[in-house]
Amino acid sequence: GDQVEQSPSALSLHEGTGSALRCNFTTTMRAVQWFQQNSRGSLINLFYLASGTKENGRLKSTFNSKESYSTLHIRDAQLEDSGTYFCAAEAGTGGYKVVFGSGTRLLVSP
Amino acid sequence: GPKVLQIPSHQIIDMGQMVTLNCDPVSNHLYFYWYKQILGQQMEFLVNFYNGKVMEKSKLFKDQFSVERPDGSYFTLKIQPTALEDSAVYFCASSPGTTNERLFFGHGTKLSVL
Repeated sequence: GDQVEQSPSALSLHEGTGSALRCNFTTTMRAVQWFQQNSRGSLINLFYLASGTKENGRLKSTFNSKESYSTLHIRDAQLEDSGTYFCAAEAGTGGYKVVFGSGTRLLVSP
Repeated sequence: GPKVLQIPSHQIIDMGQMVTLNCDPVSNHLYFYWYKQILGQQMEFLVNFYNGKVMEKSKLFKDQFSVERPDGSYFTLKIQPTALEDSAVYFCASSPGTTNERLFFGHGTKLSVL
C-alpha cells in the first residue's frame, strides 16, 4: 500500500502569507527529502532530514521519525514559490527505495 | 551543487521501437535510480541500481525494461519494445549511498511514444 500520504493536494496562498504541508508515513522511515518541482518540471532539492528541524530562508522542515510525519512550512510566500512540492522518504528497513508523496500543487497569487 | 545530466531531453519514437535513455550521474555516487512521472502526477519509483545490480524494482518496471551502467559510463534505461503507456517523463537520480541516500535528480527525459 501507499507508504507516504501527502496533504493537502492543492494549496492557494496570497503573497506574504504562509502555510504548512505535511507527509504522514505508514512505515518507519530513515530520512525524508523535500523537493520543489518548478514549471519546467525540474526537481529542486529543498531539504534532507534524518531527524529534527532545518530552516532555509522562508522554508522550514521538520521530520519526526517516532510519530512518522514530516512538515514543510512556507512563510511570506512569493510568486516564485508556485509549483508542486513533493516529500520523498527512505524506508528504514535498509531499503533502496525512496518513495514519493503524491505532491502538493501550490499557487501563490498577488 | 552536484548535477545529474540526462540525454536527450525529449525523445519521440514509434510504438514497438526500442529506446535508450541516458543518464550521467554525479561522479562518486554509488546508487542510481529511475523514476517515471506522467504529466502533473506522482513520481513513481521504477528501479534502484548499485554495484552493477538491480537492488529493487517496482511493478512498473516491466519485463520490457532493463538498466545497466557498463564500466562507469552512462546509466541507461532501455525499453524494448515500447508501448503507448510508456509515454512519460523519466527522471534519473543518484545518491552517495554511503551515509545517506539523498537524491540528486536530472531534469528528466520526456518520452513520447506514438
